Amino acid sequence: DTAVSQTPKYLVTQMGNDKSIKCEQNLGHDTMYWYKQDSKKFLKIMFSYNNKELIINETVPNRFSPKSPDKAHLNLHINSLELGDSAVYFCASSFQFPGVGWERNTEAFFGQGTRLTVV
Amino acid sequence: QQQVKQSPQSLIVQKGGISIINCAYENTAFDYFPWYQQFPGKGPALLIAIRPDVSEKKEGRFTISFNKSAKQFSLHIMDSQPGDSATYFCAAQTGANNLFFGTGTRLTVIP
Repeated sequence: DTAVSQTPKYLVTQMGNDKSIKCEQNLGHDTMYWYKQDSKKFLKIMFSYNNKELIINETVPNRFSPKSPDKAHLNLHINSLELGDSAVYFCASSFQFPGVGWERNTEAFFGQGTRLTVV
Repeated sequence: QQQVKQSPQSLIVQKGGISIINCAYENTAFDYFPWYQQFPGKGPALLIAIRPDVSEKKEGRFTISFNKSAKQFSLHIMDSQPGDSATYFCAAQTGANNLFFGTGTRLTVIP
């Protein structure tokens, strides 16, 4: 069973187009993320959602809009694609436990990635 | 601003040798330090992790050494194998579950 699945695996599109990447997790996690990995392999968090609510929104152009219809899904919609958006986008999920003193397993599980190429 | 600094960028080790990757951080709010392993075409996967209340954690051939006062931690891979060839990321996490990654180290183990 795939824990975190994202589609499509590859996406080639022209500049100016709008595209979406879908992500689903079947781990029962309450927190989901989008990361961008550039050509130098640097992983940078873009968004974090906990129970369908945005909790982190790093400095990301507002052309990127995450949508979480339920806590098992976090989709990424990108408007007016630019050449610089070409990268691999990873979805991830984890548990977020409450407060200090609680033992937690904060392992983040990642999807296989979506390689976006803007031409 | 890079929250977690990682070195070296690439590392070549002979089979059977020891691979060492170093990381440093500034934010004392970090309370969880995982290492992730990424193979080409795959997503990162948790390899081993440590909390700042211990100085060392060992799992098989993989050991994390943690120096809280110096705000540094490192991954040691003993008896490195060609199958260990991958990109390794250190990371640091706050209670808010925001995971910050280092810049990655591409490890190549030569047979």
